[in-house]
Amino acid sequence: KQEVTQIPAALSVPEGENLVLNCSFTDSAIYNLQWFRQDPGKGLTSLLLIQSSQREQTSGRLNASLDKSSGRSTLYIAASQPGDSATYLCAVTDSSYKLIFGSGTRLLVRP
Amino acid sequence: EPEVTQTPSHQVTQMGQEVILRCVPISNHLYFYWYRQILGQKVEFLVSFYNNEISEKSEIFDDQFSVERPDGSNFTLKIRSTKLEDSAMYFCASSEFGDREHWNTEAFFGQGTRLTVV
Repeated sequence: KQEVTQIPAALSVPEGENLVLNCSFTDSAIYNLQWFRQDPGKGLTSLLLIQSSQREQTSGRLNASLDKSSGRSTLYIAASQPGDSATYLCAVTDSSYKLIFGSGTRLLVRP
Repeated sequence: EPEVTQTPSHQVTQMGQEVILRCVPISNHLYFYWYRQILGQKVEFLVSFYNNEISEKSEIFDDQFSVERPDGSNFTLKIRSTKLEDSAMYFCASSEFGDREHWNTEAFFGQGTRLTVV
């Protein structure tokens, strides 16, 4: 059974710092991996999608990497801003096209 | 930009009552999903729907749950007899898919319906 784990559970950094969020999954038979942002009480906003054949994807200050064989992904946020404060969720798409989510990393960027 | 829309944003219902949560997926998408998130817990899969039938359902999706695509645009989740433990944020999602040469499985989520069972 696929399990997705995210560490750390929470992170507090000063504005301007570069940071890395980690995601690991137990079964490498994934279709793709998505990173989402969730603001309190709100929906899920897709940030990046990495196909299983890809190694990384970039969008603005965000860069996500995927090492399928070791079951790991990282989300790198450059030059963090207070507006980046949110919960970041990692999810893998399994062979039946459903998403399996991690518990998330709650990020606070202090001004 | 196309988006998944869900109504209502918040629903309060009495235990034992039936509720219907509504979703309008992105218009050219072919795969539809319901997920839920109990406060403080992970987002968990409930059901996927493709080609007018359930593709997969989780253990949570028991006989009290049903889904329907009543017309070309809406996708609904019905909970027949709500329980206190059904209180959660319910998310609808859709994916385009398309043809096999351009398989796009990126999932887009709605803003959710917060269901409170009292």
